[in-house]
Amino acid sequence: DIQMTQSPSSLSASVGDRVSITCQASQDISKNLNWYQQKPGKAPKLLIYDASNLEIGVPSRFSGSGSVTDFTFTISSLQPEDVATYYCQHYDNFIFTFGPGTKVDIK
Amino acid sequence: EVQLVQSGAEVRKPGESLKISCKGSGYKFSSYWIGWVRQMPGKGLEWMGIIYPGDSDTTYSPSFQVTISADKSITTVYLQWSSLTASDTAMYYCVRLGGSYQGYFDYWGQGTLVTVSS
Repeated sequence: DIQMTQSPSSLSASVGDRVSITCQASQDISKNLNWYQQKPGKAPKLLIYDASNLEIGVPSRFSGSGSVTDFTFTISSLQPEDVATYYCQHYDNFIFTFGPGTKVDIK
Repeated sequence: EVQLVQSGAEVRKPGESLKISCKGSGYKFSSYWIGWVRQMPGKGLEWMGIIYPGDSDTTYSPSFQVTISADKSITTVYLQWSSLTASDTAMYYCVRLGGSYQGYFDYWGQGTLVTVSS
């Protein structure tokens, strides 16, 4: 089975800061990597699919990059409403695996 | 507007059975896979299984002992347990797969909280 790791597990940054989260796969997953945002008490929301494609309606300050085993999710200018936990997720042959999550808050 | 609306919170005792539901609307229900995701209190997301309502083709994660079913006549997918344990206490989300050849969940239900306690 493919394992997904995320780092850091949590971070605290100031409003306007550039924030990056990494997700690493245990083997080559091409670009089959998605990113979700889960605000406290809410259902998760899709932000980025297939490593770098922004879901419709998602602000452009969110972006994704990477391929093979190493992926990065970036918030270019952190906003108060971005306080959430962010999860990466991989898909392969009808097996779906989430990363452990990264909790982002405001310093 | 695509919507996945889940049934309300449930409280059960260990050993009891339970069936929760997820009703889809605003899209061609039979043509999109619907899955279930568990989130235990304070923990991350775990994929449980997925069903194609068009023909009820189903795939499960080996980590879960549940049954997923669908009734396309009422555009509803179900998640069922035959004998609950305390470790089944969690929030459960139904999710729509973005397309037959896609690997992302583009719509999520609001969640159903299941509490198992004696």
